[in-house]
Amino acid sequence: DAGITQSPRHKVTETGTPVTLRCHQTENHRYMYWYRQDPGHGLRLIHYSYGVKDTDKGEVSDGYSVSRSKTEDFLLTLESATSSQTSVYFCAISESRGADTEAFFGQGTRLTVV
Amino acid sequence: SQELEQSPQSLIVQEGKNLTINCTSSKTLYGLYWYKQKYGEGLIFLMMLQKGGEEKSHEKITAKLDEKKQQSSLHITASQPSHAGIYLCGADRRLTDSWGKLQFGAGTQVVVTP
Repeated sequence: DAGITQSPRHKVTETGTPVTLRCHQTENHRYMYWYRQDPGHGLRLIHYSYGVKDTDKGEVSDGYSVSRSKTEDFLLTLESATSSQTSVYFCAISESRGADTEAFFGQGTRLTVV
Repeated sequence: SQELEQSPQSLIVQEGKNLTINCTSSKTLYGLYWYKQKYGEGLIFLMMLQKGGEEKSHEKITAKLDEKKQQSSLHITASQPSHAGIYLCGADRRLTDSWGKLQFGAGTQVVVTP
């Protein structure tokens, strides 16, 4: 699992409330990513980070913000949750191993916005 | 994403039979990742292909990347119940996009029957 821990694993929240999901890694990986997975859309990139305080937008970044103040933690925040943000959220890291690049995912966070 | 098409969408195979899943990109690939996902769980990294013509194997799973680097196939030999799940391909387009971001296909659901 490349030392990736997501928390919480499950959350139910009300529309309009702020929500923060945490991704924690223990192996000093530089690159970290947040994806969401939805039926019919597959996995889509929300935001990613290429170092402490270095982040950029992905394909579906509207309504989300991220922060990375430490190498090991990458936080995803929904400033004001909406029902369309009900999804399963995955954190990922990528790592170069010689000529190859491997990308590993966390176990996911299932978020329901009611 | 329509830029990355997986086929078939789903398949049912009898235990012991072989199966093949295809992943076709409409844009040039730097690399192609294969993952397996059990329902409600995270993605398990299978392998990453980078060089045109490259072929990798892990246990009974073999993946190939065609010479023009726009199509990959995943082949499972003598399928077992443990091979059931959703197989996802992910495209690395770092030559035209930022490093490490993956664009995923919709997935192929594999069911293995006794």
